[in-house]
Amino acid sequence: GAVVSQHPSRVICKSGTSVKIECRSLDFQATTMFWYRQFPKQSLMLMATSNEGSKATYEQGVEKDKFLINHASLTLSTLTVTSAHPEDSSFYICSGTQGNTEAFFGQGTRLTVV
Amino acid sequence: GQNIDQPTEMTATEGAIVQINCTYQTSGFNGLFWYQQHAGEAPTFLSYNVLDGLEEKGRFSSFLSRSKGYSYLLLKELQMKDSASYLCAVRDSGNTPLVFGKGTRLSVIA
Repeated sequence: GAVVSQHPSRVICKSGTSVKIECRSLDFQATTMFWYRQFPKQSLMLMATSNEGSKATYEQGVEKDKFLINHASLTLSTLTVTSAHPEDSSFYICSGTQGNTEAFFGQGTRLTVV
Repeated sequence: GQNIDQPTEMTATEGAIVQINCTYQTSGFNGLFWYQQHAGEAPTFLSYNVLDGLEEKGRFSSFLSRSKGYSYLLLKELQMKDSASYLCAVRDSGNTPLVFGKGTRLSVIA
């Protein structure tokens, strides 16, 4: 299947700092990238949908000024958690699609805010 | 609204067969997916159904009944490494994001 490379896999940051997570589609053009968050023992919850070259669409309850999403090219999307707080500690996963196909997931990023 | 239900936990014996059920209510339907997720890792794709019937892929099979809003994942010849969470996900139309169920945590015991 297609590959989505997500980095970093783990990051620990201090409260109040910002963290950037990158997702690259290596062998296909991801016209759409979905960003999910998963808390322990819970399911994947959609945070936002981004289409290349346009603004992201955020789910209800997700602060767009806190979770900045950029999808400047068909192979790269980034999520920046700004002014991180301990409650933002979670597993963040991106998922790319090329039209009406299955979703290919990145490896996930375990964020710990201390 | 959208609602996807699956059992929270299941336990099965090594070498046996286990069936994980999923029911869904969505505004539209454009495919049902099953993913396997080990703790701390990203989900990996197992199967995709868009038409009614059974899709078989090695030890894993997935069934769909669109009229009943029902699917199941069948795992045969269970191995210890099959211990994981199994996520049922539905796409309701076009290129919309997958909506995930809460996942079923399967424990395979000797």
